[in-house]
Amino acid sequence: QKEVEQDPGPLSVPEGAIVSLNCTYSNSAFQYFMWYRQYSRKGPELLMYTYSSGNKEDGRFTAQVDKSSKYISLFIRDSQPSDSATYLCATTSGGSYIPTFGRGTSLIVHP
Amino acid sequence: KAGVTQTPRYLIKTRGQQVTLSCSPISGHRSVSWYQQTPGQGLQFLFEYFSETQRNKGNFPGRFSGRQFSNSRSEMNVSTLELGDSALYLCASSLPDRTNEQFFGPGTRLTVL
Repeated sequence: QKEVEQDPGPLSVPEGAIVSLNCTYSNSAFQYFMWYRQYSRKGPELLMYTYSSGNKEDGRFTAQVDKSSKYISLFIRDSQPSDSATYLCATTSGGSYIPTFGRGTSLIVHP
Repeated sequence: KAGVTQTPRYLIKTRGQQVTLSCSPISGHRSVSWYQQTPGQGLQFLFEYFSETQRNKGNFPGRFSGRQFSNSRSEMNVSTLELGDSALYLCASSLPDRTNEQFFGPGTRLTVL
């Protein structure tokens, strides 16, 4: 079992929909939780990161962490075709520790 | 501020050859990590360098090696290439104590024939 599990999708939604992307993790020592967006033929781009449990909002994006259930979510409001990409979650224990990545969920937002 | 740059962007090699990939981190970022990305395995950590020293290492064979120079630029080398080494190789830079905030380059697409 991988330390970070993520449904590969693809997840196809109409423009304007609310998107929910999710990951589960197994290591309770993880404290930092990140979301990356990767467009085709590009490197991943850091979208948001949160520390410990709770919510963090940035524009149309909201990251949510539930440490009790080891569940990480990214919500995208008013989704746009330009949001079509692969979304990777990642976690780390912090400091100089290297993030562990999920395999990514492919999101397709159609007009 | 310029982003992470990687060269070359595309590479085609044959089995048994060796390859060297280059990465220039964001100015001020002294930690450089390398990842291999494939459709089947996702992003897998190769190694991380800080101050010219390998600080962390993933679970890859010794054919995969790297180094970092005094200006924080990094190279990775793969010797005796195998078909399974075909992948996107990504470099990411970060501040030394903020590896949870990594900034990735565009990657080098390596195809081994």
